[in-house]
Amino acid sequence: AAGVIQSPRHLIKEKRETATLKCYPIPRHDTVYWYQQGPGQDPQFLISFYEKMQSDKGSIPDRFSAQQFSDYHSELNMSSLELGDSALYFCASSLAGARKETQYFGPGTRLLVL
Amino acid sequence: GENVEQHPSTLSVQEGDSAVIKCTYSDSASNYFPWYKQELGKRPQLIIDIRSNVGEKKDQRIAVTLNKTAKHFSLHITETQPEDSAVYFCAASGAFLHGGATNKLIFGTGTLLAVQP
Repeated sequence: AAGVIQSPRHLIKEKRETATLKCYPIPRHDTVYWYQQGPGQDPQFLISFYEKMQSDKGSIPDRFSAQQFSDYHSELNMSSLELGDSALYFCASSLAGARKETQYFGPGTRLLVL
Repeated sequence: GENVEQHPSTLSVQEGDSAVIKCTYSDSASNYFPWYKQELGKRPQLIIDIRSNVGEKKDQRIAVTLNKTAKHFSLHITETQPEDSAVYFCAASGAFLHGGATNKLIFGTGTLLAVQP
């Protein structure tokens, strides 16, 4: 079965640079969530989109922005990168309906800021 | 906001023994409680979930129990195997916002389970 796809899988950036992470949800899934997981930490919710509209916002820095496109893929844009932004970034998707709460995670993008 | 506490932070068991991980949540509106298994550097993998209208759910060697009154839920793994070794996260999510399909997950701090052969 098709899963959530994230790209790139690994990314190395310098401080103050920008990065764009992409997420392709499971086909027909209409909701996308972004999570940040620091080393040894639990995933922290950043932001979510339902039907291309922002549906909830968590601890996402103002330097970050995100959107969901007409084909339901989502992009997380990160500017003025800081060392502390180094983390695993996961995208998850779900489908509105009977099991709308069930989120399936992608493989993640490992971001290293030097 | 919701807060999820998870215990223990580390758990070491002998192969074949049972393992129990416990979580408590703070927001009584939370109504969905999944458990994820995460191997080092990999994605969180959903292993079982339970909704607030159910008290217990079982899937082969894995079971989850929910006590809504006490606001706690537990993961039980029986006949543990070395491949069960991983970090396990509990999570909680609550009511929808603005009628939309959003359910951010609030995670516990994780339990590192080590199954000794």
